Amino acid sequence: GAVVSQHPSWVICKSGTSVKIECRSLDFQATTMFWYRQFPKQSLMLMATSNEGSKATYEQGVEKDKFLINHASLTLSTLTVTSAHPEDSSFYICSATRENEKLFFGSGTQLSVL
Amino acid sequence: DAKTTQPTSMDCAEGRAANLPCNHSTISGNEYVYWYRQIHSQGPQYIIHGLKNNETNEMASLIITEDRKSSTLILPHATLRDTAVYYCIVRGRAAGNKLTFGGGTRVLVKP
Repeated sequence: GAVVSQHPSWVICKSGTSVKIECRSLDFQATTMFWYRQFPKQSLMLMATSNEGSKATYEQGVEKDKFLINHASLTLSTLTVTSAHPEDSSFYICSATRENEKLFFGSGTQLSVL
Repeated sequence: DAKTTQPTSMDCAEGRAANLPCNHSTISGNEYVYWYRQIHSQGPQYIIHGLKNNETNEMASLIITEDRKSSTLILPHATLRDTAVYYCIVRGRAAGNKLTFGGGTRVLVKP
């Protein structure tokens, strides 16, 4: 099956700093990428949908200025958590798909903000 | 996307078949039923999907009722590595269509 690579797997940062997470589709060109967030013992929550070359569409309640998404190419999307605070600590997961295909997920990034 | 209803949790015995039910009574005609699972601290893994016919692959079988209002995922011979949270999701096929996760079923396979 298609492979989606997410990096880093885990990151620890100080409060107030920014963190960038990369999501790459390794063997296919992704029409659309999605970013999810998951808190302990909870389900995945969709944060935003991004298409290559256009602005991301954010879900209600997700701050677009805090969670910057860049989808620069058909194989790369990045999520930047700006001015991170402890409440942003979570498991972030990306997924990628192409037209009429299922979604493939990355392995996730555990973010801990001190 | 249509909402789905799944049991919160279930146990099954290693080596036996595991039958995971899902209700999706508001599914529309162009929405597919997808099943994913998530093992602790990993990204979701695709299992199977279908529209109206039953489907089978190397991982599982998917049985969809004729009225499409419910489905059952069958793991034919559960192993300890099948312990995970299983999500039943309905979604249209277009790339921009979201995959919205509900609570899923926490499956514990016991020796």
